[in-house]
Amino acid sequence: DTEVTQTPKHLVMGMTNKKSLKCEQHMGHRAMYWYKQKAKKPPELMFVYSYEKLSINESVPSRFSPECPNSSLLNLHLHALQPEDSALYLCASSRDPHLPGQGYEQYFGPGTRLTVT
Amino acid sequence: SQKIEQNSEALNIQEGKTATLTCNYTNYSPAYLQWYRQDPGRGPVFLLLIRENEKEKRKERLKVTFDTTLKQSLFHITASQPADSATYLCARHGSSNTGKLIFGQGTTLQVKP
Repeated sequence: DTEVTQTPKHLVMGMTNKKSLKCEQHMGHRAMYWYKQKAKKPPELMFVYSYEKLSINESVPSRFSPECPNSSLLNLHLHALQPEDSALYLCASSRDPHLPGQGYEQYFGPGTRLTVT
Repeated sequence: SQKIEQNSEALNIQEGKTATLTCNYTNYSPAYLQWYRQDPGRGPVFLLLIRENEKEKRKERLKVTFDTTLKQSLFHITASQPADSATYLCARHGSSNTGKLIFGQGTTLQVKP
């Protein structure tokens, strides 16, 4: 199974709402990622989890709060978002990137299309 | 700064021809580069990874080259088909084996029947 699943597919939320994005993989990968992608732009890294610990936060505003409950699941909690946060949010996973000399490919989910009104 | 650049202009070719996409990097020497395909509204799909000590890598109709002298990777699709129409992203790794990927802007390929 080389699939990364994400729910929901689409999400519309107001600026005062709290919602969560979910991501799941069953490939035994120990690294999981959140990316944000705006239209006609490449994905931009937000967070990296390695062995269920947050290893990279790319200076993301605190209204985005990641969580990795176990090695298969990754959540992104959203609170008090702004309209400019509307984007496609992508989850990805890979094998352990810390092994020296490795350049492991990342497997992406289909994304959650988020609209903030 | 350490840049990775792709030609952001769309590439239009006729079915059956070879498509060649370019990825250039400056101010550093990546140990490897990756190529992904992305269809509209969907997540990127990994295609190929090439290491700096590999001149060329192939997978079915796909070929990628890595020229460390020119600081360039070329991605070729031979016998192109309309189904190959998509955006193709080149990516390099950030430092320190963190798994961080930094993508180029992507090149949109349109294959006309």
